[in-house]
Amino acid sequence: EAGVTQFPSHSVIEKGQTVTLRCDPISGHDNLYWYRRVMGKEIKFLLHFVKESKQDESGMPNNRFLAERTGGTYSTLKVQPAELEDSGVYFCASSLSYEQYFGPGTRLTVT
Amino acid sequence: GENVEQHPSTLSVQEGDSAVIKCTYSDSASNYFPWYKQELGKGPQLIIDIRSNVGEKKDQRIAVTLNKTAKHFSLHITETQPEDSAVYFCAASKGGSYIPTFGRGTSLIVHP
Repeated sequence: EAGVTQFPSHSVIEKGQTVTLRCDPISGHDNLYWYRRVMGKEIKFLLHFVKESKQDESGMPNNRFLAERTGGTYSTLKVQPAELEDSGVYFCASSLSYEQYFGPGTRLTVT
Repeated sequence: GENVEQHPSTLSVQEGDSAVIKCTYSDSASNYFPWYKQELGKGPQLIIDIRSNVGEKKDQRIAVTLNKTAKHFSLHITETQPEDSAVYFCAASKGGSYIPTFGRGTSLIVHP
């Protein structure tokens, strides 16, 4: 069974540019989550999809972040325009119930 | 909201020694406590979890304990091996969405 995949693995962009991260969950998992870890700090929740609906987006830092989940399958997280403080590792996870399976993450560096 | 504190931030042990990582949580409603292991270049992987109606759980060389009264939970790894070297995260969550609040992580280094 394929795990959660994320693309790209790394992205380096300049402040003010736009970046789109993609997550492909495990097939059949209705729940999809986005998290972010800033270096040395805790992994923080961003938002939670159930199928194509946003169940909880309380962790989204501001309106420069936009998440979508087309047809309840893959998800994208767009940052526009990127700021320096957006740098970090963005993780996606999926689940059937309480056990979450994480992807390898996308390391975003904003210069 | 929930706050999870994790200690130590770095733990260095010799192969064969035991390692203990401790966490505290603030929300007494939390009832599910997963532990994740993150190896270099990979995402966090669930290694063991415990629910609030259980005080201890073991799986081969790893065990977790939970003290609900004190709001403490710990990860114990016995007979450590170099492949146990990784960053370990504790987390606390509650029923419904089970969205975890993570600790800051412990970098475990096992020296051969």
